[in-house]
Amino acid sequence: ELKVEQNPLFLSMQEGKNYTIYCNYSTTSDRLYWYRQDPGKSLESLFVLLSNGAVKQEGRLMASLDTKARLSTLHITAAVHDLSATYFCAVYSGYALNFGKGTSLLVTP
Amino acid sequence: DSGVTQTPKHLITATGQRVTLRCSPRSGDLSVYWYQQSLDQGLQFLIQYYNGEERAKGNILERFSAQQFPDLHSELNLSSLELGDSALYFCASSVDSGGNFGAQYFGPGTRLLVL
Repeated sequence: ELKVEQNPLFLSMQEGKNYTIYCNYSTTSDRLYWYRQDPGKSLESLFVLLSNGAVKQEGRLMASLDTKARLSTLHITAAVHDLSATYFCAVYSGYALNFGKGTSLLVTP
Repeated sequence: DSGVTQTPKHLITATGQRVTLRCSPRSGDLSVYWYQQSLDQGLQFLIQYYNGEERAKGNILERFSAQQFPDLHSELNLSSLELGDSALYFCASSVDSGGNFGAQYFGPGTRLLVL
């Protein structure tokens, strides 16, 4: 059974600071997705990582994938309040996405 | 707006009842996926349909069933409802059969409360 672990699960950070969210998974997969969810809302696709070494950036967020280490990271640069949300990584298992528990991010002044 | 629509947005019902959740995928998408999100279980995959056929099953209870119609919309039927079925139910769609080459796009969800 594919297991996806995110850490930290809760993160409070100050505006302007940098931080990284980690996503580890238990079995081989070369397809990993990052989603954002605002409270009470749906999931918004952020990044699709389809190969080892893939790196994608959008604004203050950058995601990377190391399939050999079974690790993806979501790096936040110079955080702003608008980034406060829950971030999920999801690993494709052959027929469905397996989600981590999510990282609840709160950016404070 | 992802282009995936779900109805109803909210549903309140009693234990033992049956409800139907509806989903319309993005235009051009052939695959529909159903997920359940709850505080204790997180986001769990339930079932996938591709172009009208069941493609994969996840942690879907026997009391739950789904189908995809010729116009590609999908319905998730939940019967003999229990308190523990209270959750947010998401539908997602993708253009291919497995979401291999792109993201699955999620609808706004149906929040089900079983009393």
